[in-house]
Amino acid sequence: EAVLTQSPATLSVSPGESSTLSCRASQSINSNLAWYQHKPGQSPRLLFSAASARATGVPARFRASGSGTEFTLTISSLQSEDVAVYYCQHYNDWPPLTFGGGTKVEIK
Amino acid sequence: QLQLHESGPGLVKPSETLSLTCTVSGDSMTNSLNYWAWIRQPPGKGLEWIGSMYYTGSTYYNSSLKSRVFMSVDTSKRQVSLSLSSMTAADTAVYYCARHFIAAALDSWGQGTLVTVSS
Repeated sequence: EAVLTQSPATLSVSPGESSTLSCRASQSINSNLAWYQHKPGQSPRLLFSAASARATGVPARFRASGSGTEFTLTISSLQSEDVAVYYCQHYNDWPPLTFGGGTKVEIK
Repeated sequence: QLQLHESGPGLVKPSETLSLTCTVSGDSMTNSLNYWAWIRQPPGKGLEWIGSMYYTGSTYYNSSLKSRVFMSVDTSKRQVSLSLSSMTAADTAVYYCARHFIAAALDSWGQGTLVTVSS
């Protein structure tokens, strides 16, 4: 089963700047990838499924892309409420459901 | 709107069995599309899938926990339950229940419940 590696582990971004988060699969997972936003004290929130399908209510400044083994989550014009840990997760060979290690996004 | 609510003891002694319940509202548990999952997050660490089950009773477990995990469903009570035996400090975590469709993303989550393993 494919393992997901997220980079960087921590991303420090100035307000209004763009940030790019990477998720790499150890083998092809087609487009069977989701992204989650996890803020402290809250439950994870689904942002994207099927690699690039935005979930309901997700702001347009969030964009996801990729297929196969390389995936990207881009946050344009970072806002303070975007501070969170972002996880990718694949379901290509479910079961299991496999998460990446996460990228922490903080304000510089 | 689907709502999930986890409940259970906040403190468990080492070697004991953890029992958690997830109560589902806002959608039918027997909806053929729905799978019910448990996920946990140890302090300072990432998310780990524990297992999923279908309302018919079919279960799918994380291979690393399979020997200690048992999930069950009670559709009349609208509840999904998790049992995790032989608890150790490494099982200290926030435990979440969530919904997903077959081979799909986890689109609805409960608020989570913190379980601490300590004597």
